[in-house]
Amino acid sequence: SQTIHQWPATLVQPVGSPLSLECTVEGTSNPNLYWYRQAAGRGLQLLFYSIGIDQISSEVPQNLSASRPQDRQFILSSKKLLLSDSGFYLCARYDRTGVIWGYTFGSGTRLTVV
Amino acid sequence: GQQVMQIPQYQHVQEGEDFTTYCNSSTTLSNIQWYKQRPGGHPVFLIQLVKSGEVKKQKRLTFQFGEAKKNSSLHITATQTTDVGTYFCAADRGSTLGRLYFGRGTQLTVWP
Repeated sequence: SQTIHQWPATLVQPVGSPLSLECTVEGTSNPNLYWYRQAAGRGLQLLFYSIGIDQISSEVPQNLSASRPQDRQFILSSKKLLLSDSGFYLCARYDRTGVIWGYTFGSGTRLTVV
Repeated sequence: GQQVMQIPQYQHVQEGEDFTTYCNSSTTLSNIQWYKQRPGGHPVFLIQLVKSGEVKKQKRLTFQFGEAKKNSSLHITATQTTDVGTYFCAADRGSTLGRLYFGRGTQLTVWP
């Protein structure tokens, strides 16, 4: 199965503190991986995606960064958090099952910056 | 700017009533996908539509893809409290594998 592990589930961090969210995936190798953010009651905003190790594309300029040191590991980081970084962070992979393509999302991390 | 328009943003229905959410794109799509997010949960894949005019059914859910491949709808017949959640469409323009453009979602509330 294309399982995704994300941790922690919830996080409260002060403004200006660093951030590191980790996502690890199981299943087929060399998956396309994605970081999304969802503000409270809002839609999904794509932050970063990766088609392979050390290959990161950024969708939105911000104080966040992403890295993919291993095939099945995707990390979202920040050196100094802002209040506006609060939200629900979701890691996802994009796969095909038969002829159907779709995302599998992790269970997410709810980040509150205080 | 907004790539995919999804309406309505909120819908409140009584159990047993029908529900429909609509998704519109200004550009022709390669395919469109639908996801459901339960309160407090993460989005879960429901379906992918690829062909012009395609209609797919999953029990009480009916998904349609427009003839021009620019719009789509999700219709739920006789809603149940288990249908509560936010329904998102995700448009694939076919440019980059996995690069989808999500609508803002329709939050469905069902009164018992």
